[in-house]
Amino acid sequence: QSVLTQPPSASGTPGQRVSISCSGSSSNIGSNNVKWYQQLPGTAPKLLIYTNSRRPSGVPDRFSGSKSGTSASLAISGLQSEDEADYYCAAWDASLNDYVFGTGTTVTVL
Amino acid sequence: EVQLVQSGAEVKKPGESLKISCKGSGYTFTNYWVAWVRQMPGKSLEWMGVIYPADSDTRYSPSFQGQVTISADKSIRVAYLQWTSLKASDTAMYYCARLQYGGPPAAFDFWGQGALVTVSS
Repeated sequence: QSVLTQPPSASGTPGQRVSISCSGSSSNIGSNNVKWYQQLPGTAPKLLIYTNSRRPSGVPDRFSGSKSGTSASLAISGLQSEDEADYYCAAWDASLNDYVFGTGTTVTVL
Repeated sequence: EVQLVQSGAEVKKPGESLKISCKGSGYTFTNYWVAWVRQMPGKSLEWMGVIYPADSDTRYSPSFQGQVTISADKSIRVAYLQWTSLKASDTAMYYCARLQYGGPPAAFDFWGQGALVTVSS
């Protein structure tokens, strides 16, 4: 059972900006860094954002992350068709002593 | 190039044992933790545990403690995930992933391609 809550779906037309929220608690997002992963259909997840807002080498700057209190968000600006994927937030939970993932959000490009 | 290459898909019967593998290359295998992540059909990701190949220090998610065994053979750069008695509910895709730096709070920066395990009578 996922501890971090995300909206099931989000959508936009090419070029638009889409934002995905991730809601947690003081024991996970509130006290630890947030990561975001992208999972294209039929493939393994890929690290998109770490330490709340940092992008690994090779990730376009269209992707940005932020955190405030016990919530985090991922924004995709200039939406492209290849951004159609599932997106998961994640964080360490100090109370559960567990690495927890979000429920996942499917992004559709209309 | 960092790569994690996993063993192939498996079809097993309930009660059977299984060990799947994850071979690292393109980096110093003993310097990074390796995690295992489960994804049941149509579901989110679940962290199962991690191992530090240099000394086999292993940490398990409370949800998977006692259900699986994580091990590693640093001489051949391979991490393993093992079951002694599979259940139908173990049917899932299993991914290995390298931790970016340090222990469990770190991000998973490289992932294996996944291994589909199907348990059915």
